[in-house]
Amino acid sequence: GAVVSQHPSWVICKSGTSVKIECRSLDFQATTMFWYRQFPKQSLMLMATSNEGSKATYEQGVEKDKFLINHASLTLSTLTVTSAHPEDSSFYICSAWRLEAFFGQGTRLTVV
Amino acid sequence: SQELEQSPQSLIVQEGKNLTINCTSSKTLYGLYWYKQKYGEGLIFLMMLQKGGEEKSHEKITAKLDEKKQQSSLHITASQPSHAGIYLCGAPTNAGGTSYGKLTFGQGTILTVHP
Repeated sequence: GAVVSQHPSWVICKSGTSVKIECRSLDFQATTMFWYRQFPKQSLMLMATSNEGSKATYEQGVEKDKFLINHASLTLSTLTVTSAHPEDSSFYICSAWRLEAFFGQGTRLTVV
Repeated sequence: SQELEQSPQSLIVQEGKNLTINCTSSKTLYGLYWYKQKYGEGLIFLMMLQKGGEEKSHEKITAKLDEKKQQSSLHITASQPSHAGIYLCGAPTNAGGTSYGKLTFGQGTILTVHP
């Protein structure tokens, strides 16, 4: 099956810094990818839809300037958490669609 | 907006027992996914159902989608400790196109299997 790779798997950063998370489709081209966030003991919540070559579409309540999404190629979407704060600590996971939704392995972000 | 309600929220069973997890939608489903997740890890695809009345099985796990396409169940037969984890149902929010991959999820069911 199709593979989606996410990097890094975990990251710890200081409050106020920015962190970039990469999501790659390894064996197929994905014009659309999706970014989700999961807080402890909660379900996945869709943050935004990443569109290759155009602006991302954000869900209600998600700050565009806080969570910058870039989908510069058909195999790579990046999520940058800018000026991270402890409340941004969460599990971030991406997915890409090819006949079914394939998920990356997720990134655990801890902001200290 | 579409909401998915999972029940139970948590489940503790003895190894060898059968169990069922339910996923109910407030709207007719375009399709329904079942995933398994270990806490803090990615999602493992289990099954996808699209047609009303559809039933699929893989090893000891069987998933069904009712005729009205508003409820799905996941049944595990003779549970094992390896079945432990978080089970999530997810459904596309759109009928077609690449945005079909945009999923809304239930809140998850935490399964514990005691040896």
